[in-house]
Amino acid sequence: DTGVSQNPRHKITKRGQNVTFRCDPISEHNRLYWYRQTLGQGPEFLTYFQNEAQLEKSRLLSDRFSAERPKGSFSTLEIQRTEQGDSAMYLCASSLPGTGQETQYFGPGTRLLVL
Amino acid sequence: RKEVEQDPGPFNVPEGATVAFNCTYSNSASQSFFWYRQDCRKEPKLLMSVYSSGNEDGRFTAQLNRASQYISLLIRDSKLSDSATYLCVDSGYSTLTFGKGTMLLVSP
Repeated sequence: DTGVSQNPRHKITKRGQNVTFRCDPISEHNRLYWYRQTLGQGPEFLTYFQNEAQLEKSRLLSDRFSAERPKGSFSTLEIQRTEQGDSAMYLCASSLPGTGQETQYFGPGTRLLVL
Repeated sequence: RKEVEQDPGPFNVPEGATVAFNCTYSNSASQSFFWYRQDCRKEPKLLMSVYSSGNEDGRFTAQLNRASQYISLLIRDSKLSDSATYLCVDSGYSTLTFGKGTMLLVSP
């Protein structure tokens, strides 16, 4: 399967713990995005990378959140001192910018539950 | 700040019906739009792009009305498998702004 992959698929943690999620984009895609989706809402943009550079961060990305893409391939999203409000689906997407409209392809997501 | 508004539904239609969804967008400078489909507890998947000239793909037709800042999706001859949430998306330079989605339920 050459699509976007995410691990773990599910994570249950206690409030105050740190969690880290991983995203592996489609291999030739140089852009990678993180979104968060809660029940009844559309995905909300968190941050994106072009190669290893983090080019944009949403104000939703509090200082407890950090994302990295050290070698321009896979990315990690870490949440420190988790809160119950962090419970959501965390989606990763990748794209290959070019001419015309840029299509983002989504991974299956990591579903986080903070108890 | 870009916003995309959609009627959350659900739209309940029988098989074979034609159904249409609209969404409105706030950023008059926006150039690119998409419709994504999302099944329950799954990731969004691209359904189709939206062009000013309209875009048709089989039973699906998307239209963009820049003057009124709305986008439409028409589904003809609905199938049971069309049941899903349809997300309207404003594509900026690098990020996507999603609406909350419109739920479609197609019944036998």
